Amino acid sequence: GAGVSQSPRYKVAKRGQDVALRCDPISGHVSLFWYQQALGQGPEFLTYFQNEAQLDKSGLPSDRFFAERPEGSVSTLKIQRTQQEDSAVYLCASSLTSGGSNEQFFGPGTRLTVL
Amino acid sequence: GQNIDQPTEMTATEGAIVQINCTYQTSGFNGLFWYQQHAGEAPTFLSYNVLDGLEEKGRFSSFLSRSKGYSYLLLKELQMKDSASYLCAVRDRSYIPTFGRGTSLIVHP
Repeated sequence: GAGVSQSPRYKVAKRGQDVALRCDPISGHVSLFWYQQALGQGPEFLTYFQNEAQLDKSGLPSDRFFAERPEGSVSTLKIQRTQQEDSAVYLCASSLTSGGSNEQFFGPGTRLTVL
Repeated sequence: GQNIDQPTEMTATEGAIVQINCTYQTSGFNGLFWYQQHAGEAPTFLSYNVLDGLEEKGRFSSFLSRSKGYSYLLLKELQMKDSASYLCAVRDRSYIPTFGRGTSLIVHP
């Protein structure tokens, strides 16, 4: 398939554990976004990449959250020392570029549950 | 920052028309998007407005008034499968879309 893929789809972590969430964007898409979505809420912005450059990380809730996209394609969102409040669906989206009418294509998300 | 407001929930009857409103406050408006999200699934793109007026696409239309900070999504000939959350997203000069909390639409027979 040519869509955005994310893995794992579901992750259960014990409080204090580190987790890594992977996103494979659509090939050729320059822009990549990470969002956090709580139940019944809209996606909340976490961070934004243009190619390999992380242009905005203002939405990352704490220094336990870290994201990278070293080769301008696959991206990883890492959460260290997970807490219960980190439980949410983490959505990755890519777009051809960041301007114009270019819509975001979303992956299926990773549902993280921290016990 | 941005402030986006949309109703939490709406109900409508199959075959009817429903209008979902979105109001926003932003500095440097650079486009407004509507997405549909079924429960447990990813958001999918519906429409994009950057100039004032109505954009029509099949059963769905979206309207924008930049001076009023207002948009609506109009769904015609409602079907049961239209039951979903509808997300309004506003992009500012940072090129990062900010999403509202979504409007849960329930279509009943």
